[in-house]
Amino acid sequence: DTGVSQDPRHKITKRGQNVTFRCDPISEHNRLYWYRQTLGQGPEFLTYFQNEAQLEKSRLLSDRFSAERPKGSFSTLEIQRTEQGDSAMYLCASSSPTVSGNTIYFGEGSWLTVV
Amino acid sequence: GDSVTQMEGPVTLSEEAFLTINCTYTATGYPSLFWYVQYPGEGLQLLLKATKADDKGSNKGFEATYRKETTSFHLEKGSVQVSDSAVYFCALSDRRGLRGSQGNLIFGKGTKLSVKP
Repeated sequence: DTGVSQDPRHKITKRGQNVTFRCDPISEHNRLYWYRQTLGQGPEFLTYFQNEAQLEKSRLLSDRFSAERPKGSFSTLEIQRTEQGDSAMYLCASSSPTVSGNTIYFGEGSWLTVV
Repeated sequence: GDSVTQMEGPVTLSEEAFLTINCTYTATGYPSLFWYVQYPGEGLQLLLKATKADDKGSNKGFEATYRKETTSFHLEKGSVQVSDSAVYFCALSDRRGLRGSQGNLIFGKGTKLSVKP
């Protein structure tokens, strides 16, 4: 079990640029989640996939955000036309109802700084 | 909607002191409750969980009991170590959840713990 892997770990980008984060979940996990965490706050839910289907999106996920999981394995989160308010840590997590009681396991996160 | 409230930090303790971090929740369903820990520069790690009333979760000397009558899930440890310094997050997952997902997690704001030698 290699855990949830995220890439890149850190990204600094200029306002208005696009950025993409990748997440590789635990291999047996069919459920994948994206969260956002700002300084001094707890993580906030963004979106959820079951296999390749995106089943839920938070109101926090504006039109500039898009997430995909094309083959039901890895996922990408793209932010278009970044704004300074997008600066945060983006956490990916995965789970499975048949493994570990559907406990949600998190990756180490991808830090985004928009300058 | 569902929510989690944690005691505000930071909490500073000496090594071997007793730790309590209070957590209360509001939920319309029957949530599962969790404590996650975040060490500096790292992501979240599950510390312990409880899925029904009166369950006690425990791990690495930490314990928390699911108290439905007081809607609480306080984290305790009898003797903290310097290595326990981290941010601790209480969270709940509504079992009704997202189309059977067991729910997304709703987190408190976190409590930063610093343990001095």
